[in-house]
Amino acid sequence: GENVEQHPSTLSVQEGDSAVIKCTYSDSASNYFPWYKQELGKGPQLIIDIRSNVGEKKDQRIAVTLNKTAKHFSLHITETQPEDSAVYFCAASYSNYQLIWGAGTKLIIKP
Amino acid sequence: SAVISQKPSRDICQRGTSLTIQCQVDSQVTMMFWYRQQPGQSLTLIATANQGSEATYESGFVIDKFPISRPNLTFSTLTVSNMSPEDSSIYLCSTGLGGGELFFGEGSRLTVL
Repeated sequence: GENVEQHPSTLSVQEGDSAVIKCTYSDSASNYFPWYKQELGKGPQLIIDIRSNVGEKKDQRIAVTLNKTAKHFSLHITETQPEDSAVYFCAASYSNYQLIWGAGTKLIIKP
Repeated sequence: SAVISQKPSRDICQRGTSLTIQCQVDSQVTMMFWYRQQPGQSLTLIATANQGSEATYESGFVIDKFPISRPNLTFSTLTVSNMSPEDSSIYLCSTGLGGGELFFGEGSRLTVL
């Protein structure tokens, strides 16, 4: 069946450095790729998303890139801050709200 | 955006009992979703609840174990029946407003002893 692989499972970076999380999807029909951030004790919250007709999208310190040929997409966080510490989930979707979720990446920002 | 309130936020339950989780959305929505998140794991969709029709369950989840109600366009409940320790999880209510983004409640953390 369809699946989304997410790496790494844990990422520890120094405050101020960049963090990159990568996901690979299997279903070539997927056309929507969101990234969610889940802070401890809270529900996931969308931080950025990209559709298959776009190769890159940026929102302040956060960017997402998509390579449809290779079927992978990545989350880039620059100038990391302590409040970026959380679990990040990628997902892929081919129809409304039917998401295939990645396993999650725990991002730790070291002071 | 949509604001979702879930109750209870956490509970400790005895094996064999049932618990109903309530989900309230601050606007009328067509689809509501129930997810399970086991400790340290990703999200797994349990079912989709549409107002006025039976919920649609994902593979591995059955109505007898997870009955769902959707009495109106702002409210839904999920019951976890005949609980066992394996049901200890976070249960999340979610909805969308048509643009693709999902909004989540803060979750209901169940511990089954």
